[in-house]
Amino acid sequence: DVKVTQSSRYLVKRTGEKVFLECVQDMDHENMFWYRQDPGLGLRLIYFSYDVKMKEKGDIPEGYSVSREKKERFSLILESASTNQTSMYLCASSSLFASTYEQYFGPGTRLTVT
Amino acid sequence: QQQVKQSPQSLIVQKGGISIINCAYENTAFDYFPWYQQFPGKGPALLIAIRPDVSEKKEGRFTISFNKSAKQFSLHIMDSQPGDSATYFCAASWNAGNMLTFGGGTRLMVKP
Repeated sequence: DVKVTQSSRYLVKRTGEKVFLECVQDMDHENMFWYRQDPGLGLRLIYFSYDVKMKEKGDIPEGYSVSREKKERFSLILESASTNQTSMYLCASSSLFASTYEQYFGPGTRLTVT
Repeated sequence: QQQVKQSPQSLIVQKGGISIINCAYENTAFDYFPWYQQFPGKGPALLIAIRPDVSEKKEGRFTISFNKSAKQFSLHIMDSQPGDSATYFCAASWNAGNMLTFGGGTRLMVKP
């Protein structure tokens, strides 16, 4: 079974703090993704990585950065957290070579910025 | 601007009924249309997907209907069960599924 794990289920941070969200996948997938999920807006792509040290901006990259130093690990960084970044953050991975293009999601991290 | 519009936002169906969720898209370059199902406390999981070369795909009680000319696609859940209660997301992609654009989600409740 594909497993995508996220470092925290719940996180509370203060405005201006630097926040790290970690994601690890165990299926040797090339692609990894960070989304944020907000009611009524669905899932919006923040960043996407197709290889180690490679990244592409998604639809809403402002205020975020990412790091992928190892194939299995993809980190999302909020350089200076703001209250409008309070949200559910979902990590996903997929194989570059699978015909189904299926993305496998972690359980999410609910981040509250106060 | 949301490129994939999903409706309704919430849906209540009696057990045994048909649940229908609709999505419309704008980008004609989209060539892959998956539906994801999300239970509370879990991440979304792929339910069923379709490519635009077919008008319908069925897997068990779940069917995607696709209308390329109208740029619309829908999910039909036949014989809906309380265990189907979840949030459903449609999505679309133009580059081999790598960059998915999701709809806003539909919260389905199936009453026993």
